[in-house]
Amino acid sequence: EPEVTQTPSHQVTQMGQEVILRCVPISNHLYFYWYRQILGQKVEFLVSFYNNEISEKSEIFDDQFSVERPDGSNFTLKIRSTKLEDSAMYFCASSGREPLYGYTFGSGTRLTVV
Amino acid sequence: DQQVKQNSPSLSVQEGRISILNCDYTNSMFDYFLWYKKYPAEGPTFLISISSIKDKNEDGRFTVFLNKSAKHLSLHIVPSQPGDSAVYFCAAASGANNLFFGTGTRLTVIP
Repeated sequence: EPEVTQTPSHQVTQMGQEVILRCVPISNHLYFYWYRQILGQKVEFLVSFYNNEISEKSEIFDDQFSVERPDGSNFTLKIRSTKLEDSAMYFCASSGREPLYGYTFGSGTRLTVV
Repeated sequence: DQQVKQNSPSLSVQEGRISILNCDYTNSMFDYFLWYKKYPAEGPTFLISISSIKDKNEDGRFTVFLNKSAKHLSLHIVPSQPGDSAVYFCAAASGANNLFFGTGTRLTVIP
């Protein structure tokens, strides 16, 4: 069964450093997403990406965040200057044209900012 | 602004009995509703969905019910099995747009 792959599985970074979280979506999917889950809280939408541009973003996704699909397969989330409150599980997801069948999520990257 | 709410953070059920997980939403524009199951250290896994034109969808032991007038959906698992123990998230979307998730309900099925 096709999978969404995320690397690394765990990233520890110092406050103020830049991090890049990587995702390889399912190859024939068209919509790509980043979500995050702070420990003990709900899964929160960050950004959606379609046709090589951001289609929607939440208020969490401020100027410190950016996404890119540099080579047609990888989908990256960059946090320019990390804060302690950015510590969370970050999930990448992709979907085809039928949201009724749901998105396929990766296993997540646990980001710890110290 | 929490558009999707799961008011029960946890639920314990005996093996073989029915598990009922509930979810409420506030946005009347939502037209797709989904349930995801999540194990620790894994991403959410799609379980079952329903569109707003239906009020029930069944897939094996899992049935989702939608009450649009009450803006309420529920997931029934029967019979419950120990392997069903996980956190269950309901999610809603308008068209092909992003999903809004509830806070999750941790289901424990007791053998």
